[in-house]
Amino acid sequence: EAQVTQNPRYLITVTGKKLTVTCSQNMNHEYMSWYRQDPGLGLRQIYYSMNVEVTDKGDVPEGYKVSRKEKRNFPLILESPSPNQTSLYFCASRANLDYGYTFGSGTRLTVV
Amino acid sequence: DQQVKQNSPSLSVQEGRISILNCDYTNSMFDYFLWYKKYPAEGPTFLISISSIKDKNEDGRFTVFLNKSAKHLSLHIVPSQPGDSAVYFCAASAWSRRDMRFGAGTRLTVKP
Repeated sequence: EAQVTQNPRYLITVTGKKLTVTCSQNMNHEYMSWYRQDPGLGLRQIYYSMNVEVTDKGDVPEGYKVSRKEKRNFPLILESPSPNQTSLYFCASRANLDYGYTFGSGTRLTVV
Repeated sequence: DQQVKQNSPSLSVQEGRISILNCDYTNSMFDYFLWYKKYPAEGPTFLISISSIKDKNEDGRFTVFLNKSAKHLSLHIVPSQPGDSAVYFCAASAWSRRDMRFGAGTRLTVKP
């Protein structure tokens, strides 16, 4: 089944403790993105990647890092999480620029 | 700044009637527009799209209308069904397609 898989689905952590949210897609898509969803703000793009080793900032990149060492994986790294990063996170991929994104099921992160 | 706006946070319609969801955008460089549907505990799923060379696109019960001069698009669902109850996100991207901007979402409730 073609899908984008994120892990974990739920995560509660403490301020300052580094964490990684993994994302993997099995569709051989070149383009991948991370979004966060917050009430009243919709989905805001954090980072995106156009191919292996090619990444760029989205609208809200502060406090996040990404890497794209392999085509299928696009992990999101929070080096020092803060409470304002409590949110619902979605990873997404698409085959090319003429298609919409396929989204993962989401990761609900709470930073206390 | 929110370049894609969905000013109605919620909409309630009766089963069998028409649902009309609206979206406005401010960036005149946007030329590709999409609607996504999101159920609780799932990622958004692609519903329908339209490019700026068209003013209408249909797919079964779903029709998207684009008014470029007004920078406005709408999604019509006819007839509405209870299974259509979800949050609907409008999204837009510019010619480079490098990023995709989303609105805040409209929660549609279809009552039996």
